[in-house]
Amino acid sequence: DVKVTQSSRYLVKRTGEKVFLECVQDMDHENMFWYRQDPGLGLRLIYFSYDVKMKEKGDIPEGYSVSREKKERFSLILESASTNQTSMYLCASSLSRRSNQPQHFGDGTRLSIL
Amino acid sequence: AQKITQTQPGMFVQEKEAVTLDCTYDTSDQSYGLFWYKQPSSGEMIFLIYQGSYDEQNATEGRYSLNFQKARKSANLVISASQLGDSAMYFCAMREALTGTASKLTFGTGTRLQVTL
Repeated sequence: DVKVTQSSRYLVKRTGEKVFLECVQDMDHENMFWYRQDPGLGLRLIYFSYDVKMKEKGDIPEGYSVSREKKERFSLILESASTNQTSMYLCASSLSRRSNQPQHFGDGTRLSIL
Repeated sequence: AQKITQTQPGMFVQEKEAVTLDCTYDTSDQSYGLFWYKQPSSGEMIFLIYQGSYDEQNATEGRYSLNFQKARKSANLVISASQLGDSAMYFCAMREALTGTASKLTFGTGTRLQVTL
């Protein structure tokens, strides 16, 4: 079974802090994704990566950056956290670009910015 | 423009009954894929079922089936014989034609299903 592990289930940080959310997958997947989930808005893609050191912006990249130094690890960085970044963050991975490959998700991180 | 539309914010169904969760989509691509995910209150997203745009038969996975009507651009999820454990948020998602990099999913806003005794 694919395992996608997010470093924290719950996280509380202060406005202006630099925040790191870590995600690790154990199935040698090419693609990794970061989403945020807000009530009534579904999941929105922040950034994704299709290879080591490669990244592309999703639909809402402002205020975020990412890092993928190793294939199994994809980090989301909030450069200067703000209260409007309080949300549920979900990491996902998928094997390849084949269209029928599902994305596998971690358990999510509930981030609160005070 | 919204590409995935789930018009039912919440649904109730009695245990052992069947329920249909609606999903319509918008795309100009000929090749695309449709996914359904379940999210229990614990938060994890669980992949349920996949339908490819060129698949001639409706997808089925156990108690889950997908009522795919391509001309109407709908991909409704049918859950048969509902169980209390089916209570969750359900998301429909679409993957459009590959662009050369990782293919992305676009999600709907979800439907919260509550199964009652």
